[in-house]
Amino acid sequence: ELKVEQNPLFLSMQEGKNYTIYCNYSTTSDRLYWYRQDPGKSLESLFVLLSNGAVKQEGRLMASLDTKARLSTLHITAAVHDLSATYFCAVDMTNTGNQFYFGTGTSLTVIP
Amino acid sequence: NAGVTQTPKFQVLKTGQSMTLQCAQDMNHEYMSWYRQDPGMGLRLIHYSVGAGITDQGEVPNGYNVSRSTTEDFPLRLLSAAPSQTSVYFCASRLGLAGASEQFFGPGTRLTVL
Repeated sequence: ELKVEQNPLFLSMQEGKNYTIYCNYSTTSDRLYWYRQDPGKSLESLFVLLSNGAVKQEGRLMASLDTKARLSTLHITAAVHDLSATYFCAVDMTNTGNQFYFGTGTSLTVIP
Repeated sequence: NAGVTQTPKFQVLKTGQSMTLQCAQDMNHEYMSWYRQDPGMGLRLIHYSVGAGITDQGEVPNGYNVSRSTTEDFPLRLLSAAPSQTSVYFCASRLGLAGASEQFFGPGTRLTVL
């Protein structure tokens, strides 16, 4: 069974600071996704990473993928309060049908 | 397009009752899935479908049934509700497995079993 681990689980950071969320997974995967979830809301797709070395950036968020290390990172640059949310990574195992395995999530709070 | 829709948004059941959570998508997506979200555990896959008439079990299928008679609809049935099924349920769909193949999520159903 594929395991997906995120750390940290909780992150409190000041506005203007940088930080990285890590996502490790236990076996080879086709694709890796990052999602954002606001309290009481659904999941919003942020990034899709398809290959080793892939890097995607949107605003203050940048995601990268190292398939050899089975590691993805979500880097936050100069955090602002609007980035406060829970962030999930998910790994796609298409050779088993339609299986998505989610990490446990990182709850990010940006303090003014 | 409405995207992925779910009904109801909230539901309270008594132990032993049965009910159906509805999910529909209007994007002509072949793949649909049901997840449950519990605190500290992320989202876990309950059942999924790769097309009309084809379903399979995910990580936590016990106590749930699904069917897929049309491309658009993928209902989730709770056969005999238990307090352990108190959770937030999300339905998701994706076009296929090629390329980025993003999943789109519905708004969720918050279920409480007393």
